[in-house]
Amino acid sequence: NAGVTQTPKFQVLKTGQSMTLQCAQDMNHNSMYWYRQDPGMGLRLIYYSASEGTTDKGEVPNGYNVSRLNKREFSLRLESAAPSQTSVYFCASSGRGGNEQYFGPGTRLTVT
Amino acid sequence: QQQVKQSPQSLIVQKGGISIINCAYENTAFDYFPWYQQFPGKGPALLIAIRPDVSEKKEGRFTISFNKSAKQFSLHIMDSQPGDSATYFCAATVRDNTDKLIFGTGTRLQVFP
Repeated sequence: NAGVTQTPKFQVLKTGQSMTLQCAQDMNHNSMYWYRQDPGMGLRLIYYSASEGTTDKGEVPNGYNVSRLNKREFSLRLESAAPSQTSVYFCASSGRGGNEQYFGPGTRLTVT
Repeated sequence: QQQVKQSPQSLIVQKGGISIINCAYENTAFDYFPWYQQFPGKGPALLIAIRPDVSEKKEGRFTISFNKSAKQFSLHIMDSQPGDSATYFCAATVRDNTDKLIFGTGTRLQVFP
């Protein structure tokens, strides 16, 4: 099992460009999450999907959109990147009632 | 009400010493309190977790102490090793169908030989 995979690992964007971060899990988990990690801020939830076909906003959703493509895949889109979105982005998944979240290796995004 | 406050921000411990990281919360509906460990360049991984019906949970050198009345919980790392050098996050969640975690701001632990 690969667990949670994310692509790309690194990305540099110019202000105003768009991109999609991809996430996939092979653990048959129902719930998936997108976080951003910034120094001194911990991990902040951007969006989550409690089950296939549903998505909800987390703590910091502005400037992002998500798609739960199927049970395995959950993508995060930046429509018009801003320097404030420079961060490390983590995708995670968890099984129903399991509480434990499994994290991917992260995508380091720089917006210039 | 949704915050989890974590301290200290950084911690330096000598090999063999005890590392202690503290967290506090306000929301009494939280019912699951995990600790995650993150090495540089990696995603966080679950280290140990506790539910509020017990006051302590031990796994090897790692112990969670939980004080429900004070709404505080802490991670103790006994006999700290250089390999324990990482960032540690406490978290809390309400048991519902979302499993959303609220994370503390993290503690960077450095263990020197």
